[in-house]
Parts: sequence; C-alpha cells; structure tokens
Amino acid sequence: DGGITQSPKYLFRKEGQNVTLSCEQNLNHDAMYWYRQDPGQGLRLIYYSQIVNDFQKGDIAEGYSVSREKKESFPLTVTSAQKNPTAFYLCASSNGGGSGELFFGEGSRLTVL
Amino acid sequence: GQQLNQSPQSMFIQEGEDVSMNCTSSSIFNTWLWYKQDPGEGPVLLIALYKAGELTSNGRLTAQFGITRKDSFLNISASIPSDVGIYFCAGPYSGSRLTFGEGTQLTVNP
Repeated sequence: DGGITQSPKYLFRKEGQNVTLSCEQNLNHDAMYWYRQDPGQGLRLIYYSQIVNDFQKGDIAEGYSVSREKKESFPLTVTSAQKNPTAFYLCASSNGGGSGELFFGEGSRLTVL
Repeated sequence: GQQLNQSPQSMFIQEGEDVSMNCTSSSIFNTWLWYKQDPGEGPVLLIALYKAGELTSNGRLTAQFGITRKDSFLNISASIPSDVGIYFCAGPYSGSRLTFGEGTQLTVNP
C-alpha cells in the first residue's frame, strides 16, 4: 500500500546527542515536509523540500537539519543545538499541486532525558 | 508564518450531540482543509474546500468555505465516541506550504 513511513515511533535521547528521524514515502510525491507538534499547539513547519536535492527552512528550523538525496526519503536530524527537542514530529508529503493537501506519517515521539 | 485562529480550543460533549467549530484568517485563502488527528497518530484529511461558499459533506461531517474566503466551518452531526481527537483547519500560503490552526480537542462522553 502507498503511504508514508516514519521511524522510530518512540525515541529517547540524552541531552547533547543528535538524533535522526526517518521518513520514507512511496506515493511518488515531489514535496515533503517536517512538522513539530507540542501539546495544545498546532503544527509548526520545520523544513520542507519541493524537489530532490533542494530544501527550505520553515518557521522553526533552528536546531534542525535535513537532506533530500532521494525522492522517497527526507530524514530530519534534531541536533544538540535544539533547546527544547521533546515533541511529536510529523512527516508529510504532497504532490506539490496548488491544493496543498498533505498526507502524514504516523509520527515520531522524541523524548530528551 | 500565516496565523489561523481556530475555536473552540476544546469541546466536551455527550454522544449524539452535534458539534461546530470554525477557523478564521486575516488573509484570503483559496483552499480550506480540515484534518482529524487520532491520539498518537498523524492527521488525516477529512474534507477539502476549493471555492468560496462551497458546502461539502463527508458522512456526518459538513464543512463550508466562507463567502469572504477568510473563514471556514466544520460541523459534526450525531457525534459518536470515535469522533474523539483533534481537528485542525489548514490553508495553503506561500506556494506549497500549509499553515494550521491550533486545533480543537474533541471529547465525546458515551
């Protein structure tokens, strides 16, 4: 079945460590996105990529990095520079059309101990 | 980024009741999207609206694209326990980017 797969579902890390969250899609979508969700808040855009080998900062990119070497993959690294990394991270993709409809993965919950 | 104001922030209702929530923007949108997020999962698209004044239904859900293009409404009729979750409105801005409201947390008591 076509969809978006995020891994791991749950992740724990110590302060000062970098961690990479995986996102893979087989929908043949050009655009991919990373959002952060905190309790009681909406989804905030971290980074997005509209095409392979290109990506742009979203609204809260500080302390994060991404790569887009393949169309299917858009991994997110949460670096030690991110002050409050504990959150629920959501990856999404779209066909890049003007409607903006996004298809989301099931999310990764990161907890910093 | 662009701000969307979504209300109410939370709702506690009895099974069988109808629910209404809305979303407003300071800017004009050409598309309004409504998503539902089950606990611990990613959001799923419920309804997409593309034209001012449009009224679209999906089962017990009905959404409307405001005539001013600055607001949208979502109604759920005859709520059931599985309607529990967070409902988000969203709209595109700056190309392929979406902005989201802060969500309405719905609790349905059996």
